[in-house]
Amino acid sequence: QVQLQESGPGLVRPSQTLSLTCTVSGGSISGGSYSWNWVRQPAGKGLEWIGQIYITGRPNYKPSLESRLSMSVDPSKNQFSLRLTSVTAADTAVYYCASSLAIGSLAYFDYWGQGTLVSVSS
Amino acid sequence: QSVLTQPPSVSGAPGQRVTLSCTGNSSNIGADYDVHWYLQLPRTAPKLLIYGDTNRPSGVPARFSGSKSGSSASLAITGLQAEDEADYYCQSYDGSLNDYVFGSGTRVTVL
Repeated sequence: QVQLQESGPGLVRPSQTLSLTCTVSGGSISGGSYSWNWVRQPAGKGLEWIGQIYITGRPNYKPSLESRLSMSVDPSKNQFSLRLTSVTAADTAVYYCASSLAIGSLAYFDYWGQGTLVSVSS
Repeated sequence: QSVLTQPPSVSGAPGQRVTLSCTGNSSNIGADYDVHWYLQLPRTAPKLLIYGDTNRPSGVPARFSGSKSGSSASLAITGLQAEDEADYYCQSYDGSLNDYVFGSGTRVTVL
């Protein structure tokens, strides 16, 4: 069974860059037709999909975040990463990494990391 | 404001059947994109409950079932149990937004 674990700073200053890494275990990040996703959840609010990336390196970003967002995959470490630039308090949330076996419009999120809280504050 | 609309709360007594709704529009559920459902216990990550409108992943009890009609989808929980008390989210794809969209979430309370 695939397991995911997020890691990264819990505090980011406003206007700086948020960087998170998700480590995949129990399976190869290069195997199958999985997409690797990030989803976030502000405190007391709902879920918001941020972006996804395939092993080919082709990313797909939430349109409203596309100008600030980049994702990458490191097959040698079985990891994928998220970078969100110019953060504000509105980016404060629990960030989850999640896998999706289905692709494109069929995608759903079958395995999730435990989540990591990122606060944007000076 | 979520693209998919869910009632904020639903409650039922143990053993009862409750139904959670998820209403979209012609760009998402109404365009026949699949609907998926997740359960989220307090302070834990979401868990996949239903995928592809009606399918249960291995390990999900048969008392959870999904359906879809037009621009809406539903999750039914039969034989409600105390452990079902959680937040439930629907998710689909929106072809106009090019975005995976979630519902606002429904909190199920077991009386």
